[in-house]
Amino acid sequence: AQTVTQSQPEMSVQEAETVTLSCTYDTSENNYYLFWYKQPPSRQMILVIRQEAYKQQNATENRFSVNFQKAAKSFSLKISDSQLGDTAMYFCAFMTDTGFQKLVFGTGTRLLVSP
Amino acid sequence: DAGVTQSPTHLIKTRGQQVTLRCSPKSGHDTVSWYQQALGQGPQFIFQYYEEEERQRGNFPDRFSGHQFPNYSSELNVNALLLGDSALYLCASSSSDRYSMGETQYFGPGTRLLVL
Repeated sequence: AQTVTQSQPEMSVQEAETVTLSCTYDTSENNYYLFWYKQPPSRQMILVIRQEAYKQQNATENRFSVNFQKAAKSFSLKISDSQLGDTAMYFCAFMTDTGFQKLVFGTGTRLLVSP
Repeated sequence: DAGVTQSPTHLIKTRGQQVTLRCSPKSGHDTVSWYQQALGQGPQFIFQYYEEEERQRGNFPDRFSGHQFPNYSSELNVNALLLGDSALYLCASSSSDRYSMGETQYFGPGTRLLVL
């Protein structure tokens, strides 16, 4: 069974700075999908970024980018120019490529962006 | 274009009661997945519905059941509620295509269930 580990329960950063959230996972599959979701206090889980394992190029979405290291089974999220609205829980998630679209989540990292 | 909607937003029940939660998927989506998120934890997969059938199930007892309607909306039913069932229940929708894997799941705002 796949597992996802987020080793940083809490992180804090000042506005305009850069922060990196860590995520590692365990799988025996060669192809799969990885996601970062953001859950603000409003509870709505929002997709931040996704990465296909067969793509070597790291995904980027505006201020958000990932560092995908397939051999190390590592998938970190970098947030540049942090904004107050980035304050939220961030969840790393894994999805297999074997047909069923089930997400396996980590335990989350609480990010606090301060002025 | 409406996103994923869930009702109700909050619910309070007592032990032993039964509860039904509802979800309407994002327009164009045909697959609904349900997740349970306990306080301070990541979401845990309950089950997934496609073409009105349960396609996959997580490690949850039979007290948890569901249904999908022809319009792709879905219900989650929990019988004989326990205190431990208190959680945020999230619904996610996606599009299933046998030629396309790894479709992104879009989440609703969730239903907060409190069992007393």
